[in-house]
Amino acid sequence: SQQGEEDPQALSIQEGENATMNCSYKTSINNLQWYRQNSGRGLVHLILIRSNEREKHSGRLRVTLDTSKKSSSLLITASRAADTASYFCATRRNNAGNMLTFGGGTRLMVKP
Amino acid sequence: GAGVSQSPRYKVTKRGQDVTLRCDPISSHATLYWYQQALGQGPEFLTYFNYEAQPDKSGLPSDRFSAERPEGSISTLTIQRTEQRDSAMYRCASSLSRQETQYFGPGTRLLVL
Repeated sequence: SQQGEEDPQALSIQEGENATMNCSYKTSINNLQWYRQNSGRGLVHLILIRSNEREKHSGRLRVTLDTSKKSSSLLITASRAADTASYFCATRRNNAGNMLTFGGGTRLMVKP
Repeated sequence: GAGVSQSPRYKVTKRGQDVTLRCDPISSHATLYWYQQALGQGPEFLTYFNYEAQPDKSGLPSDRFSAERPEGSISTLTIQRTEQRDSAMYRCASSLSRQETQYFGPGTRLLVL
């Protein structure tokens, strides 16, 4: 079973706009990670945020984590057509070994 | 190697046949993971190895599924007596250690007819 839920399930925006995706999870975590999956390709790691961090930036990506609400958001600024992909959050839970538990993903389409 | 590789990339088999999928992790990585991803969903954990040890098999859906990593590098995932519900993308990932980021391979898409 999947730990997280992404919201929205699908998002369509114009190039240049910002895209925000949200992730909620159920149990306490060690860290939360965001991955991108292009059609027909592997999962690419984007960013990791630890449970004691609240915000992290990497290029055009900004991730926030609210452990009290058990939620995270991924913001992609100034989107590009190449950002079209599915985005997954994955949590590494406390006391649950090394497995990552993924959400169902948000399918982002960026129109040129 | 430069990244995680998996073979075959696509496998079509008939129900009841056995299949073996292969994963070649990044060469310095001690930890290797197998995930199953149904269409339109996120990956689900199957099992992982730390070198050749397999501390967690909790995600394997049935005893038809088994995995090996005998020399602590290449791993195989075997599904015996395949069923149509086994059709999915099977993803392998590796990490430098248990605490580090997992790097995923391109996956093997399995179709059981």
